[in-house]
Amino acid sequence: VQLVESGGGVVPPGGSLRLSCAASGLTFSNSILHWFRRAPGKGPEWVSGIGIGEAETHYADSVKGRSTISRDNARNTLYLQMNSLRDEDTAVYYCARGVHSSGRCDVFDIWGQGTAVTVSS
Amino acid sequence: DIQMTQSPSTLSASIGDTITVTCRASQSISSWLAWYQQKPGKAPKLLVYKASTLESGVPSTFSGSGGGTEFTLTISSLQPDDLATYYCQQYESYPPTFGGGTKVEI
Repeated sequence: VQLVESGGGVVPPGGSLRLSCAASGLTFSNSILHWFRRAPGKGPEWVSGIGIGEAETHYADSVKGRSTISRDNARNTLYLQMNSLRDEDTAVYYCARGVHSSGRCDVFDIWGQGTAVTVSS
Repeated sequence: DIQMTQSPSTLSASIGDTITVTCRASQSISSWLAWYQQKPGKAPKLLVYKASTLESGVPSTFSGSGGGTEFTLTISSLQPDDLATYYCQQYESYPPTFGGGTKVEI
C-alpha cells in the first residue's frame, strides 16, 4: 500500500501548482482522501479532503477559494490545484487516506512521503 | 474550529520509563481523538484512534485514554525507537485539527 506525491517545486507568489498523489495497493475508488501540509517548525495542518464521490469536498479556510481537490479513479490519482500561492503556503504537502470515520470526519492511516512546495520570488 | 492543546511540548525520559502526554480540546469531542507518531523526515504514523483503540500493528506499550476534553497517551517501557514527536488530532468535526506536538527525547 503506497501513496506517492509529486508536483512540488519553487513558485513565485501569485503562481500556481498542481500536486498529484498516485496510489497503489489500495482500493482507490472506495477511499476517502485528504491533503495535509507541514510548514517548517510546525505541526501537520489539514488542507483539503474529498469523499468517495467527488461531490463531497472540504477545504481549510486558509486555502478555500484558491485550491481545488479532485480525483481520477481510473488513474488512481488524487490532485490538488493550488492558485494565488502565498509565502505562507510554503510547506511539505502530504496526501493521506481517511478511515475510522466519526461520521463527520476521519483519522488518517496511510500517508505519502510528501512533496515540497516553496513560494518565493 | 476546535483547538487542541498538548503538554508538555518537550519531554526528556530514560529508556524503560513510562511517560504520559496530555491533550486537551477546546470543546467536548467525545472519544473522537487520535494519536500519531512522527519521526524527522517521515510521514505521521497512526497509533491510536477513538481515544483508546490501538491501530493494527502498534505495540501494546502504547495506550490511550480519556474522553470529552481531556486525553492522554501513555508509552510504557520507553525504547530508543520511540524517539519522535507525538501529535493528537480531533475528528469530531471539520476541520480536523492537531495539537502542537510533544517531542520525546531519550
